[in-house]
Amino acid sequence: AQKITQTQPGMFVQEKEAVTLDCTYDTSDPSYGLFWYKQPSSGEMIFLIYQGSYDQQNATEGRYSLNFQKARKSANLVISASQLGDSAMYFCAMREVTTDSWGKFQFGAGTQVVVTP
Amino acid sequence: DTGVSQDPRHKITKRGQNVTFRCDPISEHNRLYWYRQTLGQGPEFLTYFQNEAQLEKSRLLSDRFSAERPKGSFSTLEIQRTEQGDSAMYLCASSDHPSPGQGFVGYTFGSGTRLTVV
Repeated sequence: AQKITQTQPGMFVQEKEAVTLDCTYDTSDPSYGLFWYKQPSSGEMIFLIYQGSYDQQNATEGRYSLNFQKARKSANLVISASQLGDSAMYFCAMREVTTDSWGKFQFGAGTQVVVTP
Repeated sequence: DTGVSQDPRHKITKRGQNVTFRCDPISEHNRLYWYRQTLGQGPEFLTYFQNEAQLEKSRLLSDRFSAERPKGSFSTLEIQRTEQGDSAMYLCASSDHPSPGQGFVGYTFGSGTRLTVV
C-alpha cells in the first residue's frame, strides 16, 4: 500500500508568490520522520526540511516551512516567495523509526513545480 | 568531502548487455542505499548495506541485479542481461548510523546514474 501520497502531479506558481505542496502519509509507527526533497532536472536530490513525529512545532528552514498536522497525517510543504530556481520536482518522504531500523525512505510520486516570471 | 559520487552519470546500453554502476559514499557514513527512480515517479528502495553487509533487498531486485560493498566503502550495482524495463535513474545514498529513537539522520544522495536500455 502506498504510504506517501502526493496528489498534485504539477503546479504553476508565479514568482514571489507562496505555494503549498500537499503530502499525506500512512503509518502505524509512533516514531517517524517526514522529509521533503527537491530534485532539479539535473537529477540530484536536495534535502529541504525535516519534521519528526514528536516535534511540537512546525519545522522551518529559510523560505521552506512544513505544515505538520499529525491527526490528519499530513505534512504539507510551503515555499514562500517563490523564485525561478525553485522550479523542480518535489518529493515527500517518510522514514519509520521503530518498524524499520535500516532507515530507508519511502517516497511519494512527487509534484512538479514550475515558477513563472 | 565531496559528497556521494556516482559513476557513470549516464549509460546507454543494448538490451541483453551487462552494466555496472559505482557509488562512493561519504567516507564516515556506514549506511549505503540504492534506489531506482523511473520517469515521473519517486525513488523506490532497492537494497541497503551497513558497512559491507547487505541487510535488506527489495523484491524489486530481481536475480539479474546484484549489489556489493566490499570493505564497506564504495558499492557497485550490476544488472545482468538488461531489459528495456530497467531504464531508470539509479540513485545511491549514504547516511550516518542514527542514535536510538532518532528520526533524523544525515542522508545524502548522489546525482544518480541514468540508464537507458535500447
